[in-house]
Amino acid sequence: GENVEQHPSTLSVQEGDSAVIKCTYSDSASNYFPWYKQELGKGPQLIIDIRSNVGEKKDQRIAVTLNKTAKHFSLHITETQPEDSAVYFCAVYSYNQGGKLIFGQGTELSVKP
Amino acid sequence: EAGVTQSPTHLIKTRGQQATLRCSPISGHTSVYWYQQALGLGLQFLLWYDEGEERNRGNFPPRFSGRQFPNYSSELNVNALELEDSALYLCASHLGQGDETQYFGPGTRLLVL
Repeated sequence: GENVEQHPSTLSVQEGDSAVIKCTYSDSASNYFPWYKQELGKGPQLIIDIRSNVGEKKDQRIAVTLNKTAKHFSLHITETQPEDSAVYFCAVYSYNQGGKLIFGQGTELSVKP
Repeated sequence: EAGVTQSPTHLIKTRGQQATLRCSPISGHTSVYWYQQALGLGLQFLLWYDEGEERNRGNFPPRFSGRQFPNYSSELNVNALELEDSALYLCASHLGQGDETQYFGPGTRLLVL
């Protein structure tokens, strides 16, 4: 079945720097890749997603890149701000396992002012 | 437009009791996913309901069950509670088959003593 690996588990950056989180997956048939941000005490919030017919997608300071050949996708946050501090989860939608999101283990991002 | 709502926000039970958690999806969405987020274990898929039917089930024992009502709201029941059932239970709203995007509610924090 699908397996999703996310790195790093923790990431600390200075305000204004960029942050990059990477995920790898195993099922080449997967074609939907969302990223979620989870703040303390809240549910995950969808921040950006990409489908396999697109290599890159941007939304203001956030971008996601997808390499289907290598089976990895990355979240890029530029000009980080303290309010970007949260846990970020990547996910892969698995059709082969009956239709469900499989999540990475999460990355705790800390942006220091 | 209202987002995904879940109730209660917190629930305290003792071992062996039953817990009932509720979720209302976004208006117009017919599909509900349930996930368990235990401390340090990421998000694990529990159940998927669509148009009133159970479509997929995660690797959880049968004492985890649920249903979806005609108005597309959903209920998760956990019988014979065990200490390790303590977790944040998240509901995600989904437009329906043909769309993979999921929007999460705030979760119900279940504590089993």
